[in-house]
Amino acid sequence: DVVMTQSPLSLPVTLGQPASISCRSSQSLVYSDGNTYLNWFQQRPGQSPRRLIYKVSNRDSGVPDRFSGSGSGTDFTLKLSRVEAEDVGVYYCMQGIQWPYTFGQGTKLEIK
Amino acid sequence: EVQLVESGGGLVQPGGSLRLSCAASGFSLSDYYMDWVRQAPGKGLEWVGRSRNKPSGYTTDYAASVKGRFTISRDDSQNSLYLQMYSLKTEDTAMYFCARDNTGSYDFWGRGTLVTVSS
Repeated sequence: DVVMTQSPLSLPVTLGQPASISCRSSQSLVYSDGNTYLNWFQQRPGQSPRRLIYKVSNRDSGVPDRFSGSGSGTDFTLKLSRVEAEDVGVYYCMQGIQWPYTFGQGTKLEIK
Repeated sequence: EVQLVESGGGLVQPGGSLRLSCAASGFSLSDYYMDWVRQAPGKGLEWVGRSRNKPSGYTTDYAASVKGRFTISRDDSQNSLYLQMYSLKTEDTAMYFCARDNTGSYDFWGRGTLVTVSS
């Protein structure tokens, strides 16, 4: 299985400040069709996961543009330009190139 | 609007059985692969199993931790997905989510149903 490794696992951030989460995969996530199947999910307390980003950098409908995804190959980053209170929760990266899909350990974002 | 609604969770004793359901609306289940994903209390996300669609022969696959104990089925006419769980263990205690696979991604998730295995 593809191993996904996130860092940091805990991310205290001051409101209005930027934040960044790293995700590394144990193998390239570039598929033969040329797409890179790396996703980011947000899980707010008490809620189910919600997809934010797919194929590295494509934001889902309704996701604020302060969220952005970047990266290539095996190294990826989720960035929040300015953290807001509603961003509190756990963020997961997930690879979709190889079944079974696998998740990172999760990064818990909290407000300082 | 796409919706997934899980049901059937509850408290069950070790060794017991439970059947979870996932009712889909806003899309045709027959067009998609569907997965079950679980989350133990305070832990991360773990893939449980997959149900492929009719073009892929309705085949299923399971995580090693549940293989031989869990069975996934679907009824496309009812737009519903099921997870039959047997021989439940305390380590199966988790929130169980159904999720729609859309080309290498889970684009929609249900709210989940909680399964607690305890004596």
